[in-house]
Amino acid sequence: EPEVTQTPSHQVTQMGQEVILRCVPISNHLYFYWYRQILGQKVEFLVSFYNNEISEKSEIFDDQFSVERPDGSNFTLKIRSTKLEDSAMYFCASRYTGTAEAFFGQGTRLTVV
Amino acid sequence: AQTVTQSQPEMSVQEAETVTLSCTYDTSESNYYLFWYKQPPSRQMILVIRQEAYKQQNATENRFSVNFQKAAKSFSLKISDSQLGDTAMYFCAFMKHLDNNNDMRFGAGTRLTVKP
Repeated sequence: EPEVTQTPSHQVTQMGQEVILRCVPISNHLYFYWYRQILGQKVEFLVSFYNNEISEKSEIFDDQFSVERPDGSNFTLKIRSTKLEDSAMYFCASRYTGTAEAFFGQGTRLTVV
Repeated sequence: AQTVTQSQPEMSVQEAETVTLSCTYDTSESNYYLFWYKQPPSRQMILVIRQEAYKQQNATENRFSVNFQKAAKSFSLKISDSQLGDTAMYFCAFMKHLDNNNDMRFGAGTRLTVKP
């Protein structure tokens, strides 16, 4: 069964460093998303991406964040200068045209120290 | 803006019993989608059930069913014959219609514990 895959599963980084979280969406999906979940809290929308551009972004998604689809398969989230409060689980999701169901990856746990 | 409210931070149920998790939402849209996602300790987000707002019939998926009350903007999840593996966080989510790459908005979650 096709699935969304995320790498790495866990990343530890020092405050101020840049991190790139990687996602491989399901191959025929066209809509891509990043969500964040601070431990024990709600799942928060960060950004949606379609046709090689951002469709919508939340107030969390400030200038420190960027997304990219560098090739036909990967979808990345970059945090330029990490802060302690960026520590969270980051979920990538993808969706096929005409369907409501979004498929989530297993998440990347980011720990900023 | 759409908001999703889950008023029960934690619930517990005895194995084999039935439990209902509550969710309300606020929207001015007439066509939208509602979801329940399960997040077990592995933190994976797993779709449990989905409801299209234009469908009056409540969605069911094996032991899981919903009570969708569109006028009241309520979308509760009923789990019948609860199993130990149902222990997880449950998130209610809302998505506007399929156009324009609409994203999903989540409630704060309900932590369900199934007791043996």
